[in-house]
Amino acid sequence: EVQLLESGGGLVQPGGSLRLSCAASGFSFGTYIMSWVRQAPGKGLEWVSAISGSGGSTEYADSVQGRFVISRDNSKNMLYLQMNSLRVDDGAKYYCVKGGMVSPAWAWGQGTLVTVSS
Amino acid sequence: SYVLTQPPSVSVAPGNTASIPCGGNNIGSKSVHWYQQKPGQAPVVVVYDTSDRPSGIPERFSGSSSGDTAALTISRVEAGDEADYYCHVWDRSSDLFGGGTKLTVL
Repeated sequence: EVQLLESGGGLVQPGGSLRLSCAASGFSFGTYIMSWVRQAPGKGLEWVSAISGSGGSTEYADSVQGRFVISRDNSKNMLYLQMNSLRVDDGAKYYCVKGGMVSPAWAWGQGTLVTVSS
Repeated sequence: SYVLTQPPSVSVAPGNTASIPCGGNNIGSKSVHWYQQKPGQAPVVVVYDTSDRPSGIPERFSGSSSGDTAALTISRVEAGDEADYYCHVWDRSSDLFGGGTKLTVL
């Protein structure tokens, strides 16, 4: 069974940083594209970032380009999202997703909540 | 940049057919995926690669696409189908979601 468990969310001040983690299990992690998708309270889904199975290719939404960095450690089955220069409108539930780029989002974690507020 | 347009809401009576459109420039040439999200839950893929259905998804869910419009069709709608639905495509190295459509079962 595929499991994706996010952690690292919390309250941070504008301009601050946060690192999200996602522990994956139940599938051959290193062979899949992985992504982060966010959803602000009461709003729709927004793709944040994706990374290829090897980690050699990444993509970012325009809204986070230059501030967020996606990475993975295939030896630990872990996905990360380093978020810098956080803004109030970055506040959302962040989902770890198996899939992305040309493939569908096959599996989703339950999400971790990020709140950006002074 | 590429934009996907969905109506905010669609209403349908139980037993009838619901069609949820997703508009985008020449979307008919792209692979479209659809997700269902119920309140408090993570999304679930209900149609992938425009018209394929994952195992476990009822045959009542189907997808199509042509020209500038893709569509998710739900036949014999049930109360349990009430949810938000999102389309998703990959265009020029960017993953994109539509704004979402709330399906209300009357």
